[in-house]
Amino acid sequence: TQLLEQSPQFLSIQEGENLTVYCNSSSVFSSLQWYRQEPGEGPVLLVTVVTGGEVKKLKRLTFQFGDARKDSSLHITAAQPGDTGLYLCAGLLTGGGNKLTFGTGTQLKVEL
Amino acid sequence: DAGITQSPRHKVTETGTPVTLRCHQTENHRYMYWYRQDPGHGLRLIHYSYGVKDTDKGEVSDGYSVSRSKTEDFLLTLESATSSQTSVYFCATGTSGGISYNEQFFGPGTRLTVL
Repeated sequence: TQLLEQSPQFLSIQEGENLTVYCNSSSVFSSLQWYRQEPGEGPVLLVTVVTGGEVKKLKRLTFQFGDARKDSSLHITAAQPGDTGLYLCAGLLTGGGNKLTFGTGTQLKVEL
Repeated sequence: DAGITQSPRHKVTETGTPVTLRCHQTENHRYMYWYRQDPGHGLRLIHYSYGVKDTDKGEVSDGYSVSRSKTEDFLLTLESATSSQTSVYFCATGTSGGISYNEQFFGPGTRLTVL
């Protein structure tokens, strides 16, 4: 059973388009992180959200944590080829110690 | 960068042989983790360590063991490799900045193929 489900699994868009990636669970998380992974490399942390309803912006990327702390979304405005990669959400379960639970991943390809 | 290296980066082995993967960090992070990454599954935790000689199981620990004799090194051993253990293995280290934060830094990965 996958605690964190991401959708869509794959996304191929043209440069300049907007997109949203979703990360959903029936469990409550004390915090949630988003990572980006490029081919042949390990994931790199983009952001951590902690408070229900929190919104964080990182240039063209907007991250939101659901009010109930069970879900999150990543919105990219005016996507660029450099945004191509695997996006992973990861949550810290309440009472789960220092172990992250990772989502299934969204593979994004942005074409010229 | 957290200064995490993994060795080897690539390995091909045969079913039934033992395999040891090494993770080395230079950041003095307390927590260390081993994950495997397979298509459609994201990253799954195998084992983790919360200090020297302190380890615990993750969600997919069967067939794997770990050891941590020094802060900087975390070893993952496949006791008798099987084809189902063909995967990309990532080591990560974690900071301990409070229960709500656990930023993890990942190594470059080891691609293991079991024939």
